Amino acid sequence: EAGVAQSPRYKIIEKRQSVAFWCNPISGHATLYWYQQILGQGPKLLIQFQNNGVVDDSQLPKDRFSAERLKGVDSTLKIQPAKLEDSAVYLCASILAPGRGETQYFGPGTRLLVL
Amino acid sequence: QQQVKQSPQSLIVQKGGISIINCAYENTAFDYFPWYQQFPGKGPALLIAIRPDVSEKKEGRFTISFNKSAKQFSLHIMDSQPGDSATYFCAASFGSGNTGKLIFGQGTTLQVKP
Repeated sequence: EAGVAQSPRYKIIEKRQSVAFWCNPISGHATLYWYQQILGQGPKLLIQFQNNGVVDDSQLPKDRFSAERLKGVDSTLKIQPAKLEDSAVYLCASILAPGRGETQYFGPGTRLLVL
Repeated sequence: QQQVKQSPQSLIVQKGGISIINCAYENTAFDYFPWYQQFPGKGPALLIAIRPDVSEKKEGRFTISFNKSAKQFSLHIMDSQPGDSATYFCAASFGSGNTGKLIFGQGTTLQVKP
């Protein structure tokens, strides 16, 4: 079974530029999460999708971050404009369906550096 | 109330020793407590998980001890090996009927010396 795919793996941009990340979850997984992991900290949820609908985006800085999941499969996360504090690893995770004890499978992440 | 506090921040153990990482939570609505292992450049991977209706779960060299009254849980790695050197995260989430969102601890960097 293929894992969660993410691209690009690394991105360096100047502040105020825009950037987009792509995630392809495990086939058949209805729920998709985007997490932000700042160096030395645990991942923090940004947004959760159930199929192509948003379930939780309470931690997403909506003035600069946006995300979509077209057709309930792939997802993109965009930052526009980027700030220095957005430097982090952006992790995508997926599960078959939400519920008690479901394993979240994580992708390798996209490491973003904002200069 | 949704925080999960993890300690220590870093840990150095000799090969063959026992590694112990502790976590504490406040929200009694949490009912699923996984531990994730993360190697550099990789995403976190589930190591072992426990539900609050049991006090201990063992899988190979890895054991979770859970103390519901103290709202604490810990990971024990027996016979630690250099290959166990990684960052470990505890987490907590709400159960059925909820989103499955994970609240992570701050992480513990484990180094196992040969």
